[in-house]
Amino acid sequence: EPEVTQTPSHQVTQMGQEVILRCVPISNHLYFYWYRQILGQKVEFLVSFYNNEISEKSEIFDDQFSVERPDGSNFTLKIRSTKLEDSAMYFCASWRGDRLYGYTFGSGTRLTVV
Amino acid sequence: DQQVKQNSPSLSVQEGRISILNCDYTNSMFDYFLWYKKYPAEGPTFLISISSIKDKNEDGRFTVFLNKSAKHLSLHIVPSQPGDSAVYFCAASPYTGGFKTIFGAGTRLFVKA
Repeated sequence: EPEVTQTPSHQVTQMGQEVILRCVPISNHLYFYWYRQILGQKVEFLVSFYNNEISEKSEIFDDQFSVERPDGSNFTLKIRSTKLEDSAMYFCASWRGDRLYGYTFGSGTRLTVV
Repeated sequence: DQQVKQNSPSLSVQEGRISILNCDYTNSMFDYFLWYKKYPAEGPTFLISISSIKDKNEDGRFTVFLNKSAKHLSLHIVPSQPGDSAVYFCAASPYTGGFKTIFGAGTRLFVKA
């Protein structure tokens, strides 16, 4: 079964520092997503990416966030200046485009901002 | 912004019995509905889906029912097994360019042996 791989599994960073979360989606998938889950809360949509550009983003995804697919395989989420409230599990997902079939999620990166 | 609501944070069921997880939605633009299962320290895993033009979809022990007029869907698991113990997320997707999925808050299912 193809997998979505996320690294690192846990990242601790100081407030104000930049972090890059990495994901390797499934190779023949067309759509890529980032979600986050703050401890005890719901899984929240951040951004969708298709055809090398952002197709949709949420209010959470402000100027501090950016995404890239630099080399056709990796899909990254960058947070420029982290805040305490950015602490969460960040999940990457990829999707082949069949609406009857859901996303494939990675295992997540736990980001802790101190 | 609670477009997808799961009002029961937890549910406990005896092994072999039926588990029924419920979900309500508010956005009429949703045209696909999905259920995901999540174990600790893992990402959500897709379980089953239903299109808004159907009212039932079955896959093995899992059946999803959709009542469009009530904006309500439910997931039935029969028979329930201890390995089904997990958090179940109801999710919905509107027809938009990014095909984003909106998740409910989840229901934690405990299946007792």
